[in-house]
Amino acid sequence: KQEVTQIPAALSVPEGENLVLNCSFTDSAIYNLQWFRQDPGKGLTSLLLIQSSQREQTSGRLNASLDKSSGRSTLYIAASQPGDSATYLCAVIARDMRFGAGTRLTVKP
Amino acid sequence: DGGITQSPKYLFRKEGQNVTLSCEQNLNHDAMYWYRQDPGQGLRLIYYSQIVNDFQKGDIAEGYSVSREKKESFPLTVTSAQKNPTAFYLCASSIGGYGGETQYFGPGTRLLVL
Repeated sequence: KQEVTQIPAALSVPEGENLVLNCSFTDSAIYNLQWFRQDPGKGLTSLLLIQSSQREQTSGRLNASLDKSSGRSTLYIAASQPGDSATYLCAVIARDMRFGAGTRLTVKP
Repeated sequence: DGGITQSPKYLFRKEGQNVTLSCEQNLNHDAMYWYRQDPGQGLRLIYYSQIVNDFQKGDIAEGYSVSREKKESFPLTVTSAQKNPTAFYLCASSIGGYGGETQYFGPGTRLLVL
C-alpha cells in the first residue's frame, strides 16, 4: 500500500526566504504527482502536476521536482510572501490517489 | 463558471441522526469522489463513482453511504453507524475514471456532532 510522507509538518519562515517542502512515497509505480494548496477551512487548489515521465514543473515562483526512483518530490517556493501561508499537500496518483498529511507553512512579514 | 459546489458549509449532527452532504459539479466529469480530512492527517477516500449508477467503497466506507443517480450529483450520507463523524469532508471530480487523472475539489463541508 502506497504511503506518502511530508516533512516537515510545519514550517515558519520570514518573508523573502526561499524554501523547500518535501514529499516522499514508498511505491515508485506512479502515473503522476500533484501538489495542492489548502487555506484554512477551504478546499484544495491544484498548484502543479508532474507526470511520471517529467522531472520538474514550474509555475511562477513555484518549482516542483520528481525523482521516481528514489520516491521523492520537492516543492520549491522562491521569495516567499505572507500570502503563501497555507498548508501544502502532495498527492501520488497511481491506481488511486494517496495524500500526504501536508506541511503547514507560515510566512512572517 | 464551471466548478464543484458543496453544501452546507457547516453541518451539525445529533446523536443517532443521519445527515446528507451535497456535492454538485457542472464540469461534465464522469468520476466523483468523497474524502474525509482529520486534523494532521492526509485525505482518506470514503467512496468514489466512475459512472452514473455505479460506486465503489474506498478505505473508510463504514458508516457512510452514497448514491449516483445523476452525473452532476454525488451526495454522501453519514449514518448513525459512523461513531466519529466530526471531520472536514471534501468532494472531488475528475474527467475520467480512477487512475492517472487529476482531481478538482469543492470547498468542503465541516461536520460537527452536537
